[in-house]
Amino acid sequence: QVQLVQSGSELKKPGASVKVSCKASGYTFTSYGLNWVRQAPGQGLEWMGWINTNTWNPTYARGFTGRFVFSLDTSVSTAYLEISGLKADDTAIYYCARGIMNRGSLDYWGQGTLVTVSS
Amino acid sequence: DIVMTQSPDSLAVSLGERATINCKSSQSILYSSNNENSLNWYQQKPGQPPKLLIYWASTRESGVPDRFSGSGSGTDFTLTISSLQADDVAVYYCQQYYSTPYTFGQGTKLEIK
Repeated sequence: QVQLVQSGSELKKPGASVKVSCKASGYTFTSYGLNWVRQAPGQGLEWMGWINTNTWNPTYARGFTGRFVFSLDTSVSTAYLEISGLKADDTAIYYCARGIMNRGSLDYWGQGTLVTVSS
Repeated sequence: DIVMTQSPDSLAVSLGERATINCKSSQSILYSSNNENSLNWYQQKPGQPPKLLIYWASTRESGVPDRFSGSGSGTDFTLTISSLQADDVAVYYCQQYYSTPYTFGQGTKLEIK
């Protein structure tokens, strides 16, 4: 069955970096895009962008450029989200989600990774 | 960016009654190439990731109960739950995929009256 399993919660100090992983199984990794979605505490969903698992080309939403990097290791069907220069308002749950290539529907989601930024 | 606005922000409906959630896009999200509207609906229960309910504005995802239906075209869309069940308590989000960034609505919290 399709699964996306994310790495565990992280507690980081302001200015530090974090790398969240998302390991896919149960399907051909390169047949679907990989999206990232942020949810701040008690808030709604925010689409951060996606990475094309065939071309490795990332697309970032406004507000997620510069400090946010999407990457892949297709040999282990894993996607990564790296955030540098962490700020308190980066505190959120970060979800990875499989995206259908010819439409932006996110049909399978990881369990989410809570990143807490606090001094 | 396309702005998605949902109404109401919260809704309380009695068990067995109809629940209706609206979503409005700031511009048309109708794909001329296939005459389909690029809209998803998701359900998010507390402590869980979102679940895809509907895509192309009205196509139910596999396994989604038929009490959930989507309608609308152009800029105005509706998610309807025909007979509310206790398990339907959740926050519901619309999302457009007409153009990046694939923006979400702010969410509608559905509760039992």
